[in-house]
Amino acid sequence: AQKITQTQPGMFVQEKEAVTLDCTYDTSDQSYGLFWYKQPSSGEMIFLIYQGSYDEQNATEGRYSLNFQKARKSANLVISASQLGDSAMYFCAGGGGGADGLTFGKGTHLIIQP
Amino acid sequence: DVKVTQSSRYLVKRTGEKVFLECVQDMDHENMFWYRQDPGLGLRLIYFSYDVKMKEKGDIPEGYSVSREKKERFSLILESASTNQTSMYLCASSLVANTEAFFGQGTRLTVV
Repeated sequence: AQKITQTQPGMFVQEKEAVTLDCTYDTSDQSYGLFWYKQPSSGEMIFLIYQGSYDEQNATEGRYSLNFQKARKSANLVISASQLGDSAMYFCAGGGGGADGLTFGKGTHLIIQP
Repeated sequence: DVKVTQSSRYLVKRTGEKVFLECVQDMDHENMFWYRQDPGLGLRLIYFSYDVKMKEKGDIPEGYSVSREKKERFSLILESASTNQTSMYLCASSLVANTEAFFGQGTRLTVV
């Protein structure tokens, strides 16, 4: 099982600025994956981006990128050019080789200000 | 698109009642999960299942049980509901291990 740590309970960011949400992980698995989810106030969990432990390139999906630093065990989410609609809870999650589900961090509440 | 459907969006139950939360997925996924979400604690895994009739305890199984009689359906059971089980419950499914999990819309359960 993994341990996922998100150290930023809340963040305020000006619209159009870039945002970095921190995530560190701890696992003994050789093969693992890291995920980011967005949860707006409506409550649904929206998958944003995935990084595999053996992927050599950092994952990118549109305005989202994952800054994966294996030696530091960090998997930070970067949102470029933030928008008001980015205001939400963001969860980092990790999964190992077994079928035992994803382990989630406690989340970061991001608020984008106009 | 994968769809994970939870039977209720909101539920209010009395202390001591037996409560069933139902979850159905339509993409033939092997793995299904039940999480509970509480403010400041993130999502915590209650139970998961990787096959029909198979179940494994997650991090916080006490006070809960599950049933998976069919591949597409995974039920969470609160044997005797208590006020500390008031929470948001999220069901999820994934095709195989270590892949994206797809979530239902959540059930907000209040035990009074």
